[in-house]
Amino acid sequence: SQKIEQNSEALNIQEGKTATLTCNYTNYSPAYLQWYRQDPGRGPVFLLLIRENEKEKRKERLKVTFDTTLKQSLFHITASQPADSATYLCALDLPDRSNTDKLIFGTGTRLQVFP
Amino acid sequence: AAGVIQSPRHLIKEKRETATLKCYPIPRHDTVYWYQQGPGQDPQFLISFYEKMQSDKGSIPDRFSAQQFSDYHSELNMSSLELGDSALYFCASSPHSNTQYFGPGTRLTVL
Repeated sequence: SQKIEQNSEALNIQEGKTATLTCNYTNYSPAYLQWYRQDPGRGPVFLLLIRENEKEKRKERLKVTFDTTLKQSLFHITASQPADSATYLCALDLPDRSNTDKLIFGTGTRLQVFP
Repeated sequence: AAGVIQSPRHLIKEKRETATLKCYPIPRHDTVYWYQQGPGQDPQFLISFYEKMQSDKGSIPDRFSAQQFSDYHSELNMSSLELGDSALYFCASSPHSNTQYFGPGTRLTVL
């Protein structure tokens, strides 16, 4: 079955630095990969989606890369701020013949940005 | 902008009781998903609906059932509740694209 691993349970960095989060998956290669942010007790919030034929995607201070050979995605937050502190989840689609794309989530990386 | 609405936000039940969770998707979204997230766990897919028809099933116990109504809202029915059912239950909706928009969740506590 598909397995998704995210680096370390927690990542602590200083404000202004770049945070880099890793997502590694096994077995099947997804058509796309998504990153979500989740604050405690709240629902995941969609951040970025990158397709298998895309190497990199950016949105403001966020950057995602997708290496289908390494089966890895990297998620970068540049000029990090304390408000970026949250758990970040990567998610893959599971291919099937249904009309919907259910997501398989990684266990998440808790990011703490301190002043 | 309108978001996914879930009710109730918190629910406390006794073992063996029944619970019903409701989800109101974003207008014009035709797909609804249900996920269960245990403490410290990642969200686990339960079931999805597309255009009011069940589309896919994940790790949903037989004690649970769900449906999507003509107005596209969805309900997750949970019977014979067990302690292990205590979790956050999220509904997400999608305009039949890859992106899913999650609701605030219902926190179910089974005593």
